[in-house]
Parts: sequence; C-alpha cells; structure tokens
Amino acid sequence: SQLAEENSWALSVHEGESVTVNCSYKTSITALQWYRQKSGKGPAQLILIRSNEREKRNGRLRATLDTSSQSSSLSITATRCEDTAVYFCATDASSGSWQLIFGSGTQLTVMP
Amino acid sequence: ETAVFQTPNYHVTQVGNEVSFNCKQTLGHDTMYWYKQDSKKLLKIMFSYNNKQLIVNETVPRRFSPQSSDKAHLNLRIKSVEPEDSAVYLCASSHKNSNERLFFGHGTKLSVL
Repeated sequence: SQLAEENSWALSVHEGESVTVNCSYKTSITALQWYRQKSGKGPAQLILIRSNEREKRNGRLRATLDTSSQSSSLSITATRCEDTAVYFCATDASSGSWQLIFGSGTQLTVMP
Repeated sequence: ETAVFQTPNYHVTQVGNEVSFNCKQTLGHDTMYWYKQDSKKLLKIMFSYNNKQLIVNETVPRRFSPQSSDKAHLNLRIKSVEPEDSAVYLCASSHKNSNERLFFGHGTKLSVL
C-alpha cells in the first residue's frame, strides 16, 4: 500500500479560481514533497516541507503540513490553464530512507 | 530546464526481447533512481544507486537490472520483457538522498506487444 496518498483522484476548476489538493501519509516522516507532472514530462518538485515546518510558500503555491493528523495540503491560488497537471505528494519512510514514495496523484484540470 | 536526459523517448518491442534504456544527469548529483509509472500514473521506485551502492526494491523482478559506468549514468536493462512491463520508465537524480529534491527526466515509454 502507498505510504502517501492524495485524497482526490481528479479535480477541475476554472481559471482564476483557487484549488486545494490534500494528501495523507501513514508513517512518521522527515519531510514531505509536492511534485507536479505535466503531460509527457517527468515530475517536477514544487515544494519541500520538513516535519518541523507547518507552512511553506512558493509563489501562488502554499503547502501545509500537520504531523499530528499526518496530512498535508497544497493550495494553488489564481489558477492558470498551465497548472493543468497531475499533482503528487511524496514522503520518505524514515530518516535516511533511500525511497521517496509517491502518492497516486491528483489530476487537476484548469479550464479557460 | 532538463538536466536528466533519457533515451529513447519511446520503444516498442515484443515479448521476450531485451531492451536497454539510457539515463544521464549533468547536475553532479551523487544518487540516481529508476521509477516505473503505470497507465494510472502510479509511480513505483525500482532502484537507487549511490557511490557504487545499489539498493533494489524487493518487488522488482529479476529480469530488471540497472547498469552504471559512473555516477552520471544509470541505465536500465530488461532481460526478457513481458506485457506487464509496458509503462513509462522515469530516471531521476538527487544530490545525496531521497529526502531532498529529485530531478526527473522526461521518461521512456515502453510498449510490449
């Protein structure tokens, strides 16, 4: 089973709207990463948030981490058509783990 | 901007054939990885290679083997492909370990007929 899991398989919004992708994970972590994968490309990291951080921002993106509920969210404000992609959360199982485990991904479609 | 380069982009082959995919990173990273992505976009780690140390995900069939000539290259060989090997194979690298940013290539899409 996946160590990390996004809570929605697919979301769709209109340009300019805000959207939030949620993720839950099963083990203690040192950090959680959010990636975006556009069609025909490999995943690209958006944000890395460490276990001692509660919030991290990167432009229109905001990630939160709640270690007590083992959950994270990625919010995108003022969405654009080019934000259309699959969004993954990913965690390492434990400190020094060689494996970065990805959730199953959320397909976000931003419509004009 | 791509700094992890994979070839070929696509490969079509028949059951039982041997295939090899190439990956090169120009970032000076110490660790490289291979992931398999299925048709539902599920990403599964296959191998990690660091300082000549190979770590294998125990669920990976033995017909898969990584090959490295130096820390900038990590190729993937499949000895005798099977239909379930059809997928996108993604190569990635990181500076030290998986607890930091991974840089991915564009992937090699394998179709097994």
